[in-house]
Amino acid sequence: DAKTTQPPSMDCAEGRAANLPCNHSTISGNEYVYWYRQIHSQGPQYIIHGLKNNETNEMASLIITEDRKSSTLILPHATLRDTAVYYCIVRVTSSSGANSKLTFGKGITLSVRP
Amino acid sequence: GAGVSQTPSNKVTEKGKYVELRCDPISGHTALYWYRQSLGQGPEFLIYFQGTGAADDSGLPNDRFFAVRPEGSVSTLKIQRTERGDSAVYLCASSLSGRATDTQYFGPGTRLTVL
Repeated sequence: DAKTTQPPSMDCAEGRAANLPCNHSTISGNEYVYWYRQIHSQGPQYIIHGLKNNETNEMASLIITEDRKSSTLILPHATLRDTAVYYCIVRVTSSSGANSKLTFGKGITLSVRP
Repeated sequence: GAGVSQTPSNKVTEKGKYVELRCDPISGHTALYWYRQSLGQGPEFLIYFQGTGAADDSGLPNDRFFAVRPEGSVSTLKIQRTERGDSAVYLCASSLSGRATDTQYFGPGTRLTVL
């Protein structure tokens, strides 16, 4: 799986949009971008994933650049409960189930301030 | 519905002892994963089960670590002759099938402390 690079931390004000960047310059054509988050003392939680088109769900939006070398996770209206470590993961997909494990980096710590 | 559950939530043991950590996946999920998370690090893959069989055990650090899933549901991670370096949070996840596109749902983890 391709490696991802994320800044170690960032903060944003409650109610504002949080834009979390991720670089994955060695991503291959068959690799998806996944985002998980981990709130303190809990297991990781799936947020969203995408291949090349932008994606949106009830939690967040994922913007992937045209060259697919970077992406941004957007939390449109951050709340205090969004304070967590956010992991950007690049993942090969195969129908056989090989490579189904997740390879986590250190992630980015988002602190939402009141 | 019920999510992934793990027991115990905390386990304190002495160096050299044997421990078992249990994972109850979401009902109907055929794929089950174990990860280990050290302080300040992201989770690290240990082993993946598809049904009863270990499809990928490449992450197990050494032969002191072993996991089973005899009936394709509950799994037990077993650690022999524990060492202080085994102290970590052990996370379990399950997904509907083994497909890489399936969402993995994580349990709360078991915090293991080896004194």
